[in-house]
Amino acid sequence: KAGVTQTPRYLIKTRGQQVTLSCSPISGHRSVSWYQQTPGQGLQFLFEYFSETQRNKGNFPGRFSGRQFSNSRSEMNVSTLELGDSALYLCASSFKGRETQYFGPGTRLLVL
Amino acid sequence: KQEVTQIPAALSVPEGENLVLNCSFTDSAIYNLQWFRQDPGKGLTSLLLIQSSQREQTSGRLNASLDKSSGRSTLYIAASQPGDSATYLCAATTGNAGNMLTFGGGTRLMVKP
Repeated sequence: KAGVTQTPRYLIKTRGQQVTLSCSPISGHRSVSWYQQTPGQGLQFLFEYFSETQRNKGNFPGRFSGRQFSNSRSEMNVSTLELGDSALYLCASSFKGRETQYFGPGTRLLVL
Repeated sequence: KQEVTQIPAALSVPEGENLVLNCSFTDSAIYNLQWFRQDPGKGLTSLLLIQSSQREQTSGRLNASLDKSSGRSTLYIAASQPGDSATYLCAATTGNAGNMLTFGGGTRLMVKP
């Protein structure tokens, strides 16, 4: 069974631009969560989607948004990029939530 | 609000040693606790998940325990190998916070040949 995939793997953007990251969960998994990892703050929860609905949201500004499609694939968007948005963005999937979560390889975003 | 702490932040041991990694959490209303491994620049690999009703879980050379009353979990690695070198993270799912994982800061382990 294929694991969680994330595209692109690396991105370089400039301040003020926007970016869209994609996550394809393990087949059959309906819950997709997004996390931001930085050296200073560690791993922080962004949001979770289940059956195309946002089920939970972390403490991030409204510039961070996401969505989930009917095939469970998810995208997250960051608008008006700031230098502090440079991070590794990880997504995780699980069957319906509250079981083992499986993480993708991440998208490394660098904002210049 | 759940807070998860891992001490020490870094650990270096010689190959073959048995070792214990510590994880503490502040809210005992956890639903489950997961241990992950992260290699540099990579995603997270799930190692073990312990449900709140369980005391421990084992997988190969790994054994994880959970004590809700004391707010602690430990990950025991037997007969450590250089390939075990990585950052180990614990994360809790708390009763009223849906599927959100609250992560500790991690323990960076180096196993020297």
